Amino acid sequence: YELTQPLSVSVAPGQTANITCEGNNIGSKSVHWYQQKPGRAPVLVIYRDTNRPSGIPERFSGSNSGNTAALTITRAQAGDEADYYCQLWDSITARVFGGGTKLTVL
Amino acid sequence: QVQLVESGGGVVQPGGSLRLSCVASGFYFNYYGLHWVRQAPGKGLEWVAFIHFDARDQYYADFVKGRFTISRDNSRDTVYLQMNSLTTEDTAVYYCAKDGVHSSSSVTYFHFWGLGTLVSVSS
Repeated sequence: YELTQPLSVSVAPGQTANITCEGNNIGSKSVHWYQQKPGRAPVLVIYRDTNRPSGIPERFSGSNSGNTAALTITRAQAGDEADYYCQLWDSITARVFGGGTKLTVL
Repeated sequence: QVQLVESGGGVVQPGGSLRLSCVASGFYFNYYGLHWVRQAPGKGLEWVAFIHFDARDQYYADFVKGRFTISRDNSRDTVYLQMNSLTTEDTAVYYCAKDGVHSSSSVTYFHFWGLGTLVSVSS
């Protein structure tokens, strides 16, 4: 099972960033998202498609339908610059993570 | 608060072995599955292994099957990763992560992560 993410996404400060994760019928699976800043451990930002863990700003939201899951970051800030990874569990292939997307805020 | 502290990384020659440890605190350890996830320098995240909350089952990525063994000691709130027959491709930061669902029978998501421990395989 392949998960495809764009290598990079750019967004202007204050605008909205959309990071996609494509997979065959991914809408039937539960997708999770992680933020990783340079030199730091990953942080869960969205779980089960649309849920935000405690402490994650409301500016972060998720969606999942058809063949595309997406992480949306509204009112983007310089502090949102990071690598973002989608994740699911496919028990047949043990495929877990997408390749990651580097978000640049400029 | 939840804490996961990895240790045991270091430099090892190809073909060698290492055992990583991860000590957990801040949650009821016996109720949660635990994972090891790795990240090679400049690369993405790569799931390595998972152990059920009660250790009754373990899952492994294909690239470590037969070489790595995940285990846990619920009396010590510790999960381990025994790594044998190491190659240069195993060079990475290894993270311990807590599964997201209480008493889950399968992999769900990685709710909390440790800071990682670096394993470097080099001659």
